Amino acid sequence: DGGITQSPKYLFRKEGQNVTLSCEQNLNHDAMYWYRQDPGQGLRLIYYSQIVNDFQKGDIAEGYSVSREKKESFPLTVTSAQKNPTAFYLCASRAIAGNGELFFGEGSRLTVL
Amino acid sequence: AQTVTQSQPEMSVQEAETVTLSCTYDTSESDYYLFWYKQPPSRQMILVIRQEAYKQQNATENRFSVNFQKAAKSFSLKISDSQLGDAAMYFCANNNDMRFGAGTRLTVKP
Repeated sequence: DGGITQSPKYLFRKEGQNVTLSCEQNLNHDAMYWYRQDPGQGLRLIYYSQIVNDFQKGDIAEGYSVSREKKESFPLTVTSAQKNPTAFYLCASRAIAGNGELFFGEGSRLTVL
Repeated sequence: AQTVTQSQPEMSVQEAETVTLSCTYDTSESDYYLFWYKQPPSRQMILVIRQEAYKQQNATENRFSVNFQKAAKSFSLKISDSQLGDAAMYFCANNNDMRFGAGTRLTVKP
């Protein structure tokens, strides 16, 4: 089945450690997105990419990094520079042409101990 | 840059009644799509309905319909015959920059 896979679903990290969240899609979508969601809050855009080897900062990119070496993959690294990394992270993708509906993964819950 | 605004943090509706969730947006594009997504407690994002800006007719999907006012840049969601399973967070978004509103938490009372 086509879709977006995020892993891990739950992740614990000690302060000062970097952690990478995986996002893979087999929908042949050009664009991929990372969002952060805090409890009871909306989705805030971290980074997005519309083509391989290119990506742009969203509204809250500080303390995060991404790469887009393959069309299918858009991993997010939460670095030690992110002051408050505990959150729910959602990855999404969409075709740039057409109606541009976003397809979402199931999310990754990161907790910093 | 907040381009989508949802002014109702919480809404409540009686089962079988109708409720309307509000959304306004800002864009300089003439052609775009608008979306309502639902996020139940499972946190999986589910597309509820989409609207093409160049279509004058309001989109409808079963019990869900929109009131799209292009000049006013308003895009409200109407849920008819509300069901307990409609309880969730609802987010609106446009496809120009894929940013979302802050969300509206809908409670359905039995």
